[in-house]
Amino acid sequence: DTAVSQTPKYLVTQMGNDKSIKCEQNLGHDTMYWYKQDSKKFLKIMFSYNNKELIINETVPNRFSPKSPDKAHLNLHINSLELGDSAVYFCASKVTRGSTDTQYFGPGTRLTVL
Amino acid sequence: EDQVTQSPEALRLQEGESSSLNCSYTVSGLRGLFWYRQDPGKGPEFLFTLYSAGEEKEKERLKATLTKKESFLHITAPKPEDSATYLCAVLIQGAQKLVFGQGTRLTINP
Repeated sequence: DTAVSQTPKYLVTQMGNDKSIKCEQNLGHDTMYWYKQDSKKFLKIMFSYNNKELIINETVPNRFSPKSPDKAHLNLHINSLELGDSAVYFCASKVTRGSTDTQYFGPGTRLTVL
Repeated sequence: EDQVTQSPEALRLQEGESSSLNCSYTVSGLRGLFWYRQDPGKGPEFLFTLYSAGEEKEKERLKATLTKKESFLHITAPKPEDSATYLCAVLIQGAQKLVFGQGTRLTINP
């Protein structure tokens, strides 16, 4: 029944490692997003994909690379992790056409870099 | 620069004590304004979308209103289970992304 799911929920790793976070939605949406929520709870967009095509790429270090194998999945790979990457990462999705612009969020992945 | 500011940052109320949360925005063009609720350790949960000044939406004890410069989330006779962080976000005309405020952390004491 989960609409937008993310794995893992918690990720603890050492500086310099490479890690991935996975996102899947079963809502039939065709646009997906990655957001970062910092310690002050600000949610900021990182990337957006529409039908596997990158449409938004905010000023994010190129150590972050999103990958969309199909329109139901958007994964986030992070190379050479740094302390400042510690945050909660949220995936979201929405339908592009129609009268609603509502984005639905996943439960989040709390990344801690030691 | 597009900006969304929420106030207060934190609000503590007694059960049954009604109040309002504010979301003011400065954007190049507003397509829509969204309210979300976020519980600790969870993702934002959609509450309302407002598209034009004068529009109002209600859900249980919550009512959202919109003017050309701000939105209010009114909470009537709140209960402890209404405790959460309430996030406001705007969708900019011609853009695909939401710009969020920093949220209001609401605590309802029994």
